[in-house]
Amino acid sequence: DTGVSQNPRHKITKRGQNVTFRCDPISEHNRLYWYRQTLGQGPEFLTYFQNEAQLEKSRLLSDRFSAERPKGSFSTLEIQRTEQGDSAMYLCASSSRENTEAFFGQGTRLTVV
Amino acid sequence: QKEVEQDPGPLSVPEGAIVSLNCTYSNSAFQYFMWYRQYSRKGPELLMYTYSSGNKEDGRFTAQVDKSSKYISLFIRDSQPSDSATYLCAMAAPTLGRLYFGRGTQLTVWP
Repeated sequence: DTGVSQNPRHKITKRGQNVTFRCDPISEHNRLYWYRQTLGQGPEFLTYFQNEAQLEKSRLLSDRFSAERPKGSFSTLEIQRTEQGDSAMYLCASSSRENTEAFFGQGTRLTVV
Repeated sequence: QKEVEQDPGPLSVPEGAIVSLNCTYSNSAFQYFMWYRQYSRKGPELLMYTYSSGNKEDGRFTAQVDKSSKYISLFIRDSQPSDSATYLCAMAAPTLGRLYFGRGTQLTVWP
């Protein structure tokens, strides 16, 4: 296991379509985070899991966003009815326990046209 | 006021220069401090991780934390063109689950 893996790396979708991204964390890590990043900005928190439990979800997130982490392994992030403002880099990170080093994947770049 | 403030730059220095990158924060609960390097269109790469106050050195990189001033720094010695990237500071607290990020400082090291 060489690190956090995210798929796909790039996604172009039409406005109004649903998209789903996948994140495979480092195998022994029980914490998993999702962030969103736009050009020139730092990562913006979306949600995080400890094992399969979703412990926090950003209040900035609309109901169109949902994340799951079945069995505490990989996670998926779904965006329904995509809008142009959803265009961003979606980043996943994992850590072995709270407040230790968090390692990021390479991200999924979403473009909504 | 944002939880973490970071000057976005851009910062441009000649090869071999000492680079100083800084962040300030407002939440005294932060105890864990990280620096990430991010190349264009890539995910952030963890460079340094420190707990509470003090210094930590790793090769050409030194991280400093001053909790009394709520101020953290990353120093890069003998900077190289390959150091050209965006540097993000991040912080965490025992009572808060997420990482809090600055907006990043864009650094260019020219030969």
